[in-house]
Amino acid sequence: SQQGEEDPQALSIQEGENATMNCSYKTSINNLQWYRQNSGRGLVHLILIRSNEREKHSGRLRVTLDTSKKSSSLLITASRAADTASYFCATVYGGTSYGKLTFGQGTILTVHP
Amino acid sequence: DAGVIQSPRHEVTEMGQEVTLRCKPISGHDYLFWYRQTMMRGLELLIYFNNNVPIDDSGMPEDRFSAKMPNASFSTLKIQPSEPRDSAVYFCASSLEGIETQYFGPGTRLLVL
Repeated sequence: SQQGEEDPQALSIQEGENATMNCSYKTSINNLQWYRQNSGRGLVHLILIRSNEREKHSGRLRVTLDTSKKSSSLLITASRAADTASYFCATVYGGTSYGKLTFGQGTILTVHP
Repeated sequence: DAGVIQSPRHEVTEMGQEVTLRCKPISGHDYLFWYRQTMMRGLELLIYFNNNVPIDDSGMPEDRFSAKMPNASFSTLKIQPSEPRDSAVYFCASSLEGIETQYFGPGTRLLVL
């Protein structure tokens, strides 16, 4: 399977702490995206990083991409209880049809107030 | 814009019955995706359309599944006959050519008894 793998599967932290989630994938990619899913809701796009980028920021989010290791990380700084959700990485593999996302299994983040 | 709209939000049916899930993409978006999410298999792409034309249906699990997009503002995913193993949350998402972010609907939670 080309599906990415994420770790940890679950992460529990206190409000104000930083949360780091990792994603690994198997073949070359065009871009990698991170999505958030609140319980019982649809996925919400957070950030996209292209294969020629190494780091990207958006508010309290920082994403890194290491294509040599085929891995990415998502850092949420100064976490809040509202950040409690599942986080998924999704990749667009090189050579695949436009828009065909392959999702990882996700990391369940719990932020305790 | 109201975002991607899916109906029904919840569906409970008995094995053997036909199930039709509906999706209205964001106005102006020219890509539409159908996903299925289960605990065991995670989030899987079933089929996607570009300008109402099916581009890739390799994720459709069986002939019992079919999808149509008769116009730019409406798509259906049909399961006939339904089976208990089809129980899952089905998401519809849309995106715009050149913009790789996908916008997800709230999902339809299907339970087949």
